[in-house]
Formats: sequence, C-alpha cells, structure tokens
Amino acid sequence: GAVVSQHPSWVICKSGTSVKIECRSLDFQATTMFWYRQFPKQSLMLMATSNEGSKATYEQGVEKDKFLINHASLTLSTLTVTSAHPEDSSFYICSAREGDGSAYEQYFGPGTRLTVT
Amino acid sequence: GQNIDQPTEMTATEGAIVQINCTYQTSGFNGLFWYQQHAGEAPTFLSYNVLDGLEEKGRFSSFLSRSKGYSYLLLKELQMKDSASYLCAVMDSNYQLIWGAGTKLIIKP
Repeated sequence: GAVVSQHPSWVICKSGTSVKIECRSLDFQATTMFWYRQFPKQSLMLMATSNEGSKATYEQGVEKDKFLINHASLTLSTLTVTSAHPEDSSFYICSAREGDGSAYEQYFGPGTRLTVT
Repeated sequence: GQNIDQPTEMTATEGAIVQINCTYQTSGFNGLFWYQQHAGEAPTFLSYNVLDGLEEKGRFSSFLSRSKGYSYLLLKELQMKDSASYLCAVMDSNYQLIWGAGTKLIIKP
C-alpha cells in the first residue's frame, strides 16, 4: 500500500526559532499534498494544499508567511513554521494524493508533534 | 456553507454493535470517507462510499444516502482496540476533504 512518512515525528523548539517538517511519499508520486493541524480533542484543520511545482493554496486564516510550504518534487513537501510561538504547538499531519483530482484517497503520514517552549 | 455533523462521543460495550451517524451539507459531492484515529496518531482509512448503499468490510460497514446527505459507520463485535475517534469526511466538488469534528468511541468491558 501507499506509504507516507514524516520527519521528525516530534520536535521541541524555543520560541522565535523555525522548524521544518518533511513529508515524503515513499512508493508513489504525490501530485498533491495536504498539510493539516490538529489541536487536542479537535478534528483535523486543513492548512494548505500544495501541488508539485506550484505555490501552495492556503486556507483562510492561515498565514502564508508564517507557514512556508514547498512542494519541490513529486515525493517531497516541506512545511516550515517560522518564528514559532507556543500557540503553534500542535500535531501537524500531512497527506498525499496520487495522480489528478479524481483520485480519491489521501494517504496520511504519521504526524509530527511540535512543542514550542 | 459546508457542514459535517457527527456525535461528539459514544459509549458501547465490548462485543456489541454501534452505529455512528454523519450528516453533511457540502458544495458538491465526490464521495464520503470514514477514518479511524487513535489518540496521538494520524487517521487511517476505513471506507469510501460514493454510491448509495451499504459497503461491508469485515466487522465494519458504511452506508450512504446521497439524497438525505447521510452516512453511518457500523461496527460489529466491538473490541477494546476499537476505542478511537471516528472521522467522517466528504470530498467536495473541488476534490477537497471537508472534515467532521470526529466521534470519540469509548468501549467498556
């Protein structure tokens, strides 16, 4: 089956620093990757959608200058949280979809738990 | 606006059957998904319905009625490991997933 990896699985950083999270599709080419954030006891919140080779589309209320997304290849997307603050502490999950928009299934990575102190 | 509704929490007994309902209102419809999410982990895919009717997969079944904007996930022979959150998500006309808030299922011995 399709596998998506994320790195790191957890990270602790100091307020004001930047953190990069990688999302890789290991055995398929991901035309589209999605970045989600999930706070405790809440559902997934889509942050942005990224298509390989083009700029990410951010959801309303998500600061594009704070959450930098790069989808440079068909197997890798990165999310960089810039100038992190304690309120950015959350569970960040990526998912990837193979092929065009009609391909229905999204494959999820295992998530990255970010704690900002 | 787009909306997905599902109960916040349900409790059931080991070995029993539980039905988790989901109602939706979205701009377009390209299928409905059910995902299972254990605490601290990413969601895992359970089922996909795009046509009306019941899809059975082992102990889990999922039903869809597009005319009613309604789906349910049926879990049979409940096991303790089924304790998790169950997320209903609808793919809209732009092939974006619209997520429900999830139903926390508590299984008691």
